[in-house]
Amino acid sequence: DGGITQSPKYLFRKEGQNVTLSCEQNLNHDAMYWYRQDPGQGLRLIYYSQIVNDFQKGDIAEGYSVSREKKESFPLTVTSAQKNPTAFYLCASSRTSGLRREQFFGPGTRLTVL
Amino acid sequence: AQKVTQAQTEISVVEKEDVTLDCVYETRDTTYYLFWYKQPPSGELVFLIRRNSFDEQNEISGRYSWNFQKSTSSFNFTITASQVVDSAVYFCALRPASGGSYIPTFGRGTSLIVHP
Repeated sequence: DGGITQSPKYLFRKEGQNVTLSCEQNLNHDAMYWYRQDPGQGLRLIYYSQIVNDFQKGDIAEGYSVSREKKESFPLTVTSAQKNPTAFYLCASSRTSGLRREQFFGPGTRLTVL
Repeated sequence: AQKVTQAQTEISVVEKEDVTLDCVYETRDTTYYLFWYKQPPSGELVFLIRRNSFDEQNEISGRYSWNFQKSTSSFNFTITASQVVDSAVYFCALRPASGGSYIPTFGRGTSLIVHP
């Protein structure tokens, strides 16, 4: 079955540590995205990538970094510079051509800073 | 600039009631796409529907129906005979159909609680 996987489902981090959230897709989508969701809030775009080895900042990129070395993978690193990283992180992917460009989402990673 | 407004933060209904979730949007684009997503308690956003701006036909899928009215810039979502499993946060989103941009703008979501 095609889809998007995110791991881990729950992640605990001590202050001052960097952590990396995994996102893998086998939908053959060119574009991938990272969103942050806080309780009772909508989705805020962190980073997105249209193509391998290229990515752009979203609305709240400070304190985060990404890489796109493979089409299937778009890991997100939450650095110690992110002042309030406790949140729910969602990865998504989509086509970049044709009519069906809607995003498909992974199950999410809930990050808690202790 | 694009904007999606979901004015209803939370709606609470009793099972079997009909419920409508409102979505109002703003865009300068002449062609665009509208979407609805469902986020159950598990957290994953589930794609429900995509609607093209040039197709104003309403759509029905089982207990779900969507009313797209370009004249009022609205894309409302109705659940008929609601069930407890419909309890979730529902997001409306908007994306231009041309110009190369494919980043959608999401509303803040409406939390639907269906009581047994």
